[in-house]
Amino acid sequence: SYDLSQPLSVSVALGQTAKITCGGNRIGGKNVHWYRQKPGQAPVLVIYSDDNRPSGIPERFSASNSGNTATLTISRAQAGDEADYYCQVWDSGIYVFGTGTTVTVL
Amino acid sequence: QIQLQQWGAGPVKPSETLSLTCAVSGASFSGFSWSWIRQPPGKGLEWIGEINHSGGTNYNPSLKSRVTVSVDTSKNEFSLKLTSVTAADTAVYYCARGEQRGSFFSNWGQGSLLTVSS
Repeated sequence: SYDLSQPLSVSVALGQTAKITCGGNRIGGKNVHWYRQKPGQAPVLVIYSDDNRPSGIPERFSASNSGNTATLTISRAQAGDEADYYCQVWDSGIYVFGTGTTVTVL
Repeated sequence: QIQLQQWGAGPVKPSETLSLTCAVSGASFSGFSWSWIRQPPGKGLEWIGEINHSGGTNYNPSLKSRVTVSVDTSKNEFSLKLTSVTAADTAVYYCARGEQRGSFFSNWGQGSLLTVSS
């Protein structure tokens, strides 16, 4: 099975930049999607197909994908960005989610 | 505006069958995939299975022997049945719309906490 590993937690100062990594074997060859999940809520898509933002997602959210690591970047972090973030790919006929990263804004 | 409204009966006793239904409004069933995803308390997301408008299904191999996803296009609903449940199946269950098979999930239901308990 294909595994996606994320750091358990990332802390960022208010207004600074947070980077969340998603590691997987040759993930650069796959389309990576990112979700934000706030406590008690359903996940929300924030990035699709490596670096595309759905309507309503601010430009502060960006992403890249190369080699064995995909990265979600949150610029000018706000208190409202505190949440769990999950990466997701499609591999061998199934959908695989990353382990999830909790982002804390200090 | 696309909305997914889900419901299910709980709690469920061990060895029984868990059932959930998701009603879709604001979107046609055709051209998309419709999935079930779950999240045990305090843990990450696990994809369970998907169905398309014509009834074609695809399941997570880890659950395949116990899962059935079905669709009722006349009602714009799709459903999940998970048999022989154990405490490990206690989770928040989400329905979700996939842009196409193998892509991403654009819309999610509100989630349903189903507890397996005797």
